[in-house]
Amino acid sequence: QQQVKQSPQSLIVQKGGISIINCAYENTAFDYFPWYQQFPGKGPALLIAIRPDVSEKKEGRFTISFNKSAKQFSLHIMDSQPGDSATYFCAASMRSGGSYIPTFGRGTSLIVHP
Amino acid sequence: IAGITQAPTSQILAAGRRMTLRCTQDMRHNAMYWYRQDLGLGLRLIHYSNTAGTTGKGEVPDGYSVSRANTDDFPLTLASAVPSQTSVYFCASSAQGTGEAFFGQGTRLTVV
Repeated sequence: QQQVKQSPQSLIVQKGGISIINCAYENTAFDYFPWYQQFPGKGPALLIAIRPDVSEKKEGRFTISFNKSAKQFSLHIMDSQPGDSATYFCAASMRSGGSYIPTFGRGTSLIVHP
Repeated sequence: IAGITQAPTSQILAAGRRMTLRCTQDMRHNAMYWYRQDLGLGLRLIHYSNTAGTTGKGEVPDGYSVSRANTDDFPLTLASAVPSQTSVYFCASSAQGTGEAFFGQGTRLTVV
């Protein structure tokens, strides 16, 4: 049973376009929603994250939109650049013994054409 | 440079052999995690540890064991490797009360 569903599996965007990746979750115990970016041969790295008490968070060209009632959240990459080409993972985390345990979506492979 | 060190970076292992993947962090993070990454399946949690001396099972724990004798080290052991354990393994850590997980560079394991 997939706790965090991510779509699309792959995405091709032209330089300057908007990339949109969507995620949905079921467990209302999740209370931290990070996005990770992974380049080939590297480990994932935190890109941006949001807590459920806000509906949107923006950092530079990256924005998370969060819909608590629908249990959905999405990543928008504005003015997409070839350097943004990577795999993106959404995650949903819940507390366990003082720590957060991330549960990941299956990932989206983003290609930005020059 | 502070961070997470995983060893080895890659390994080819005969089925039935025992193997320990090493993970060391120097950030004094309380929590540590082991994930496996498979194409199309994303990152799946194998085991985790909230603090030294405690461990817990994740989504796919069968065939794996962990220990957390101190804050810095979190080794993952495959007692008797099988081909389905061919994967890229990532160790991660996070500070208590924060959600940001820091990942190592991964270990690519092939079981033949």
